[in-house]
Amino acid sequence: GQQLNQSPQSMFIQEGEDVSMNCTSSSIFNTWLWYKQEPGEGPVLLIALYKAGELTSNGRLTAQFGITRKDSFLNISASIPSDVGIYFCAGPPGNQFYFGTGTSLTVIP
Amino acid sequence: NAGVTQTPKFQVLKTGQSMTLQCAQDMNHEYMSWYRQDPGMGLRLIHYSVGAGITDQGEVPNGYNVSRSTTEDFPLRLLSAAPSQTSVYFCASRDNFHSGNTIYFGEGSWLTVV
Repeated sequence: GQQLNQSPQSMFIQEGEDVSMNCTSSSIFNTWLWYKQEPGEGPVLLIALYKAGELTSNGRLTAQFGITRKDSFLNISASIPSDVGIYFCAGPPGNQFYFGTGTSLTVIP
Repeated sequence: NAGVTQTPKFQVLKTGQSMTLQCAQDMNHEYMSWYRQDPGMGLRLIHYSVGAGITDQGEVPNGYNVSRSTTEDFPLRLLSAAPSQTSVYFCASRDNFHSGNTIYFGEGSWLTVV
């Protein structure tokens, strides 16, 4: 099946630091999505990307659709405690949506 | 807005019991799917449907059945529960033609099989 490799697996950072994470796929995607999941909740969409090279921001979050269409990146600037959660990349090569294994983010005040 | 609604939120089953996880969406989305989430495994696709009367298998379909008799509902059935099916289950939906392929999730169903 489709492989979505997400890294790093976990991050422990100080409040105020910037965060970077990425996702690579074994096949070309035409859409990249980034989700955040908080404990006890379902994933919530953060950013959607629709074409190669696209750079999209949502507040302190910025995501990029890689030129090769096989990768995507998510950056969080000036992290705050409420950024804590698991971040997932996702994409649909066809009808099936695949998700990365997630990056668990812990922000230390 | 209700969005995607899953029930029950929590369930404990004995091995061999059967049950159905309910999922309903009120966005008139054609595409619906079920995922399971296990520690370190991310979200894995169980079954999906691209419209009423059409279902297909995802990555981990064994032990689960689905049906799609209406656009709104997509129940997931466990015919004979096993401890390996202890997991968190998420139903999701999206519009095939709009919303840029964005997928929306329910709040999850926590299932424990003992």
